[in-house]
Amino acid sequence: EAGVTQFPSHSVIEKGQTVTLRCDPISGHDNLYWYRRVMGKEIKFLLHFVKESKQDESGMPNNRFLAERTGGTYSTLKVQPAELEDSGVYFCASSLPGGALHFGNGTRLTVT
Amino acid sequence: GIQVEQSPPDLILQEGANSTLRCNFSDSVNNLQWFHQNPWGQLINLFYIPSGTKQNGRLSATTVATERYSLLYISSSQTTDSGVYFCAVEGKLIFGQGTELSVKP
Repeated sequence: EAGVTQFPSHSVIEKGQTVTLRCDPISGHDNLYWYRRVMGKEIKFLLHFVKESKQDESGMPNNRFLAERTGGTYSTLKVQPAELEDSGVYFCASSLPGGALHFGNGTRLTVT
Repeated sequence: GIQVEQSPPDLILQEGANSTLRCNFSDSVNNLQWFHQNPWGQLINLFYIPSGTKQNGRLSATTVATERYSLLYISSSQTTDSGVYFCAVEGKLIFGQGTELSVKP
């Protein structure tokens, strides 16, 4: 079984540019989550999809962040325009209902 | 919301030593997981353990849900055990601050 895959693994962009991160969950996992770890601090929840619906987006920091999961399969997280404080590692996870979360390897975003 | 606290924040061990990491949480939970973030940044799922005890090789975990804590035991530590250990609770996972473990040869 393929795990959660994230693209790209690294991204370096300039302040003001746009970046789109992609997450492919484990096949059959309706739950999809985005998290980020900024500046070596704790890992923070961003949002949760159940299939294509946003179940909880309470962790999204501001309106520069837009997440989508069209068709209930893969998800994208767009940051536009990127700011310096957006640098960090962005993780995606997926799960079956009530099951353990399985994480991807993360995307390391550096905004210069 | 639920608060998750881990201790100690940092731990340095000599290879071969044993250690215990602790995770306290402020309210009842239906889900608790332990993760290891290795030096390459990957988050590895160690245990899904809302209650009881589980063992996997040199690692074991115990969660006492009624007393709102979980323990992760690492025995005969190896340098490859280095990294940050996180516990996280609830469905959408609320993470503790992590314990940074460094195992010296």
